[in-house]
Amino acid sequence: QITLKESGPTLVRPTQTLTLTCTFSGFTLSTSAVAVGWIRQPPGKALEWLALVYWDDIKRYSPSLQSRLSITKDTSKSQVVLTLANVNPADTATYFCAHRPDYYDGAWGFWGLGTLVTVSS
Amino acid sequence: EIVLTQSPGTLSLSPGERATLSCRASQSVSSSHFAWYQQRPGQAPRLLIYGAFRRATGIPDRFSGSGSGTDFTLTISRLEPEDFAVYYCQDYGSSVYTFGQGTKLEIK
Repeated sequence: QITLKESGPTLVRPTQTLTLTCTFSGFTLSTSAVAVGWIRQPPGKALEWLALVYWDDIKRYSPSLQSRLSITKDTSKSQVVLTLANVNPADTATYFCAHRPDYYDGAWGFWGLGTLVTVSS
Repeated sequence: EIVLTQSPGTLSLSPGERATLSCRASQSVSSSHFAWYQQRPGQAPRLLIYGAFRRATGIPDRFSGSGSGTDFTLTISRLEPEDFAVYYCQDYGSSVYTFGQGTKLEIK
């Protein structure tokens, strides 16, 4: 059974760096062609993809946010960490981590429940 | 950068009716990297369709996807009460993921 769980702060001050951790089970991030990524959703708005890391440590970022984003993986801990620098109120959102298995042609087949992050002073 | 435009924004139908949701891309995209998701209130999105027409594991056959190039469609043949939700289309091209703005399917 594949599960993912997001963890991190619920409140972040403007200009600070947000750090979120995705802890997963039921698969390994060392398997060829798999990936873990992050998608966010501001309250009442649409989904927005942020970043992903592949099994071979190749990373991809949203062009509009890549200067502020960093994603890393720790295969031994089954974790993926996302950092978002210099946050502002527009970064208030529910942040989801998701797993992209090798059999769904790049689609996000498994999702965590999400964690709501509020950016406010 | 590809933009995905979903229509209509809101669709009001009754259980048992047929729903047709559209997604148009600003330029031609690969069908093999096109997907649809369902999101119920307070829940994470759920993958319905990948590769434009392939159903994900456990998805009922009343859900079907079609289309190619710039125009894609999600069809729900007979609406069940649990189908009333928000639906998103998604493309994955050039190592960048793009989502549509969503279609809300509500009970009439």
